[in-house]
Amino acid sequence: NAGVMQNPRHLVRRRGQEARLRCSPMKGHSHVYWYRQLPEEGLKFMVYLQKENIIDESGMPKERFSAEFPKEGPSILRIQQVVRGDSAAYFCASSPQSTNTEAFFGQGTRLTVV
Amino acid sequence: QQQVKQSPQSLIVQKGGISIINCAYENTAFDYFPWYQQFPGKGPALLIAIRPDVSEKKEGRFTISFNKSAKQFSLHIMDSQPGDSATYFCAAGHYGGSQGNLIFGKGTKLSVKP
Repeated sequence: NAGVMQNPRHLVRRRGQEARLRCSPMKGHSHVYWYRQLPEEGLKFMVYLQKENIIDESGMPKERFSAEFPKEGPSILRIQQVVRGDSAAYFCASSPQSTNTEAFFGQGTRLTVV
Repeated sequence: QQQVKQSPQSLIVQKGGISIINCAYENTAFDYFPWYQQFPGKGPALLIAIRPDVSEKKEGRFTISFNKSAKQFSLHIMDSQPGDSATYFCAAGHYGGSQGNLIFGKGTKLSVKP
């Protein structure tokens, strides 16, 4: 059973470009959470999705950021018109149910905006 | 009431020594306190967790001590090994609640010297 898969592992974008980060949850997991980790900072919750639904987006910036988890395929975190401040590690976690005791994290995507 | 304060920011311990990391929370309604271990280039992994009905939980060389009245909990790593070198995050939230509602500390970078 493969773990949570994130790709790409590293992504470099110029200011103004779009970044698309992908997360394939563990088999049997239908709940996905996205986090951002800045240097010297803890994990900051961004968004929680189930298949085809956004459940909680209270941590998402109001502009330029969006997320989806389609019926088929991975969850996508999309950042439009990236700025230097978007440079961070982005992690997703998945769980079989909406519970914090069974979530597993992927290895993250490290986004660098130049 | 939603902060989790973690200290120290970094810690250097000799092999065989005891590593101690402390966290303090504010929300008295929290009843779930997990610790995550993150190796460089990897995602966080759940290490050990405690609930307020016990004051201590031990798993191998890892022990959580919990002080409900002081709203503090700590991770003790006995007989620390170089392989324990990682960043450790504490978190707090509601047991069984959404993974997205966990509040994370800023992390402690542990280096165990051989």
